[in-house]
Amino acid sequence: KQEVTQIPAALSVPEGENLVLNCSFTDSAIYNLQWFRQDPGKGLTSLLLIQSSQREQTSGRLNASLDKSSGRSTLYIAASQPGDSATYLCAVPSGGSYIPTFGRGTSLIVHP
Amino acid sequence: GAGVSQSPSNKVTEKGKDVELRCDPISGHTALYWYRQSLGQGLEFLIYFQGNSAPDKSGLPSDRFSAERTGGSVSTLTIQRTQQEDSAVYLCASSSLAGRTDTQYFGPGTRLTVL
Repeated sequence: KQEVTQIPAALSVPEGENLVLNCSFTDSAIYNLQWFRQDPGKGLTSLLLIQSSQREQTSGRLNASLDKSSGRSTLYIAASQPGDSATYLCAVPSGGSYIPTFGRGTSLIVHP
Repeated sequence: GAGVSQSPSNKVTEKGKDVELRCDPISGHTALYWYRQSLGQGLEFLIYFQGNSAPDKSGLPSDRFSAERTGGSVSTLTIQRTQQEDSAVYLCASSSLAGRTDTQYFGPGTRLTVL
């Protein structure tokens, strides 16, 4: 059974800082890994999807990397802004499955 | 439609009553997922549909929970004889393929409160 751990659980930083959010998983036989953002009281918004054959994906100020062999992914946020404040979730399917297991998330606050 | 929609957005019910939660996926998406998010917990997988069939029901917590999907589109999650521990946000997501390599798009969720 896939287990997904996200560190740190919470993070509070001043605006402008570059951030690294970490996700680790136990079963490395995965098809893909997805990063989501969840605002309070809202559903999840997909940020980046990395296929198992890829090493990283970029979208604007976001960059996600994937190291399958070590069971790790990082989400890098450059030049953080108050609007980036949200919970960031990592989702990883188990080997042979397409049902993702979600981490508990990292709650990010970026203050002006 | 423009995105995944869910109704109602909020539902308050009394213990023992039945509730129905609805999900309208993105038009043309063949895969549909139901999840539950409880306070302080992560997202818990409930059930997955491919078209109208549910090849994976492994996440349904008890036989009080059931779901169906008709016309390869709208899905309904039914909870019978609700209990207080059923209180949570129920999220629906859809994707265009089987989910292996495609992005899941989430609805805003239904917040269920069982008194």
